[in-house]
Amino acid sequence: KAGVTQTPRYLIKTRGQQVTLSCSPISGHRSVSWYQQTPGQGLQFLFEYFSETQRNKGNFPGRFSGRQFSNSRSEMNVSTLELGDSALYLCASSPRRTAIQETQYFGPGTRLLVL
Amino acid sequence: EDQVTQSPEALRLQEGESSSLNCSYTVSGLRGLFWYRQDPGKGPEFLFTLYSAGEEKEKERLKATLTKKESFLHITAPKPEDSATYLCAVQAGNTDKLIFGTGTRLQVFP
Repeated sequence: KAGVTQTPRYLIKTRGQQVTLSCSPISGHRSVSWYQQTPGQGLQFLFEYFSETQRNKGNFPGRFSGRQFSNSRSEMNVSTLELGDSALYLCASSPRRTAIQETQYFGPGTRLLVL
Repeated sequence: EDQVTQSPEALRLQEGESSSLNCSYTVSGLRGLFWYRQDPGKGPEFLFTLYSAGEEKEKERLKATLTKKESFLHITAPKPEDSATYLCAVQAGNTDKLIFGTGTRLQVFP
């Protein structure tokens, strides 16, 4: 079974630009979560999508947004990029078949560098 | 506020020298505690899920245990390939988000 895939793997942007990152979950997984990882803050939750609906949102400004499509693929968008947005952006998927907490499986991440 | 603290921040071991990593947590209504391994430049790789105090899980040289306040990841006779950052995360309350600790960077020398 293929794992979580993320594209692109690396990205360089300049301040003020916007960026869109893509995530394809494991086949059959319906929940997708996004995390930001930086050396100073570690892994921080951005948001979670399930059945095309945002279920939870972390403490990030409105410049960070996302969506999920009917095939469970997800995209996240960051507008008006700032230097501090440079990070590894990780996507994780889980089955969400039951109410019991299920493990989230991570993709390789997209490394974003803002100059 | 929900919080996860991992210690030590870094650990250097000789090959074969067993040790333990600690993850202490303060959360409202623990739903699950997760251990991940992360290699440089890669996404976290799932290791274990623990749901209730007293639970233990093993995989090769790794054993994870859980109490009401903390979890330990025991590494028995580590090898250089066990070198990585080990992350602990919890899910609490009625949210599915993972709250991560800052990790323990483990280096195992031959």
